[in-house]
Amino acid sequence: DAKTTQPPSMDCAEGRAANLPCNHSTISGNEYVYWYRQIHSQGPQYIIHGLKNNETNEMASLIITEDRKSSTLILPHATLRDTAVYYCIVRPGYALNFGKGTSLLVTP
Amino acid sequence: EAQVTQNPRYLITVTGKKLTVTCSQNMNHEYMSWYRQDPGLGLRQIYYSMNVEVTDKGDVPEGYKVSRKEKRNFPLILESPSPNQTSLYFCASSFGTVGYGYTFGSGTRLTVV
Repeated sequence: DAKTTQPPSMDCAEGRAANLPCNHSTISGNEYVYWYRQIHSQGPQYIIHGLKNNETNEMASLIITEDRKSSTLILPHATLRDTAVYYCIVRPGYALNFGKGTSLLVTP
Repeated sequence: EAQVTQNPRYLITVTGKKLTVTCSQNMNHEYMSWYRQDPGLGLRQIYYSMNVEVTDKGDVPEGYKVSRKEKRNFPLILESPSPNQTSLYFCASSFGTVGYGYTFGSGTRLTVV
């Protein structure tokens, strides 16, 4: 599995964009990048995924660099309810390797 | 509403007393899996199923059994629970394993005393 590196924690002011980086320098050509988040002890929530192109949905945008070695999850207008642990996952197989993720704190 | 439903949400049991945690999805997903989450160890996969009657071990299968007799249901069975199986358990489902997001249940907090 390609390993990912994320900062352990980040802060963001409410209403501002939250930009969460992820390094995955060993990613293979056919591996997707997935983002999930977990709010406290709730079930992880799927956010978005991408292969090569940038992606956007109602929750977030995913920007993948041209060499695919890193990506950024963007929450365009963060709210207090976006406070959670965010996981960047790259995997070819059946299991999701969640790692430690980035703990995002959105402040008023 | 599309969802993965786990029951029970909370369970306290005694060592050795067989228990089953149920998981059901209403999205016609082929792929289902079980994870456990422990402090400092993160989420780890226990078992997964690619389709009816097809199951395989994940990273931490010891002490667990699963079955997939119907597409929508994927129960987790602990035949002789031990205290080291005290954990937060999540069931997940997806249309497939590549290029799809997984939907997770709300979790089952199990305590074995």
